[in-house]
Amino acid sequence: GNSVTQMEGPVTLSEEAFLTINCTYTATGYPSLFWYVQYPGEGLQLLLKATKADDKGSNKGFEATYRKETTSFHLEKGSVQVSDSAVYFCALIGGNSGGYQKVTFGIGTKLQVIP
Amino acid sequence: DTAVSQTPKYLVTQMGNDKSIKCEQNLGHDTMYWYKQDSKKFLKIMFSYNNKELIINETVPNRFSPKSPDKAHLNLHINSLELGDSAVYFCASSHGTGGRNIQYFGAGTRLSVL
Repeated sequence: GNSVTQMEGPVTLSEEAFLTINCTYTATGYPSLFWYVQYPGEGLQLLLKATKADDKGSNKGFEATYRKETTSFHLEKGSVQVSDSAVYFCALIGGNSGGYQKVTFGIGTKLQVIP
Repeated sequence: DTAVSQTPKYLVTQMGNDKSIKCEQNLGHDTMYWYKQDSKKFLKIMFSYNNKELIINETVPNRFSPKSPDKAHLNLHINSLELGDSAVYFCASSHGTGGRNIQYFGAGTRLSVL
């Protein structure tokens, strides 16, 4: 079955530091890949997505590139802010055509940014 | 306007009780989901409904029973609550069931079983 592996946190960074959260996946076919963010006390929100190989998703200064050759979708941001402190989930959907496509989430990586 | 709303936000109850969590979405989506997030933040799907029809039913105790009276609502009823049911439960919705449909999440219901 499908699976998503992401680094366990917590990750603690100083403000303006560079962020990388690794994510690799196992899936059949051509899945769509997502990063969701969960701020304290809230539900998950879509941060960015990529639906085919070599696509780059970007939003709010975050970026991730769909690398089929390395089955990875690492999340990066050049300069983090305190307001980026949250839990980040890598996820994938499907890969197979037709039918219901179940979302598979990674375990979540907690990011803490200190001033 | 909240797109996916769940009630209650917090639920504290005793073991053995029966409780319900309600979910409503105003996005016009036809597919809704329930997820359970444990204390380590691991998120696992429990159920999914498409047009009021159950399409995903993961390995969940039959004490959990979802009900979808219409496409905009998916409620979760839990019988004979156990300590291990303590978690945050998230409702979500999407348009369709295909592989590229984005899911929109509610804010969660934190259930504590004492």
